[in-house]
Amino acid sequence: QVQLQESGPGLVKPSETLSLTCTVSGGSISSYYWSWIRQPPGKGLEWIGYIYYSGSTNYNPSLKSRVTISVDTSKNQFSLKLSSVTAADTAVYYCARGMVHMDVWGKGTTVTVSS
Amino acid sequence: QSALTQPASVSGSPGQSITISCTGTSSDVGSYNLVSWYQQHPGKAPKLMIYEVSKRPSGVSNRFSGSKSGNTASLTISGLQAEDEADYYCCSYAGSSTSYVVFGGGTKLTVL
Repeated sequence: QVQLQESGPGLVKPSETLSLTCTVSGGSISSYYWSWIRQPPGKGLEWIGYIYYSGSTNYNPSLKSRVTISVDTSKNQFSLKLSSVTAADTAVYYCARGMVHMDVWGKGTTVTVSS
Repeated sequence: QSALTQPASVSGSPGQSITISCTGTSSDVGSYNLVSWYQQHPGKAPKLMIYEVSKRPSGVSNRFSGSKSGNTASLTISGLQAEDEADYYCCSYAGSSTSYVVFGGGTKLTVL
């Protein structure tokens, strides 16, 4: 059974870069799309972007200038980098398998942006 | 890219049926059969309930069903149970030229 696990710092300073990794276990990262989604406290889900295992990406236009998603097939991982963060980027960050049809999700990791 | 429109809240009594709407545009919901629905309990990750408008993943109760008409997709839950109380989000593919994905704002379902 495929499982996803997000990892990374829980606290990031304003203007710095948020970096998270999603490790895929129980299956291969190949032949699937992989997504990042976030949820600010008390708010709804927001699509951040996705990557195909081959490396092609697509990002939310509202975040596009600050987002980079990459994949490391040798480690069965994919990663998120979000630059120039502000308090508005405080959220639970989820990784998931799929693009619209996201059938496996990580448990989520809380990232707080604060000095 | 705008969020899909969902009612903020719906409610129903145990055993009843409810429907949650998800309104998009001709650029997303109206053009593609790539609409999914997610259930989220407090403090938990979302769970896929419906994909490709009306398909149910293995293990999801057949009390959950999906449909689409024009630019509006719908999730119907029949035979409401207490454990159905949760937030529900729709999600759609949003264009062949952009390949974006867009979520609805979410609907809080209360089982009375």
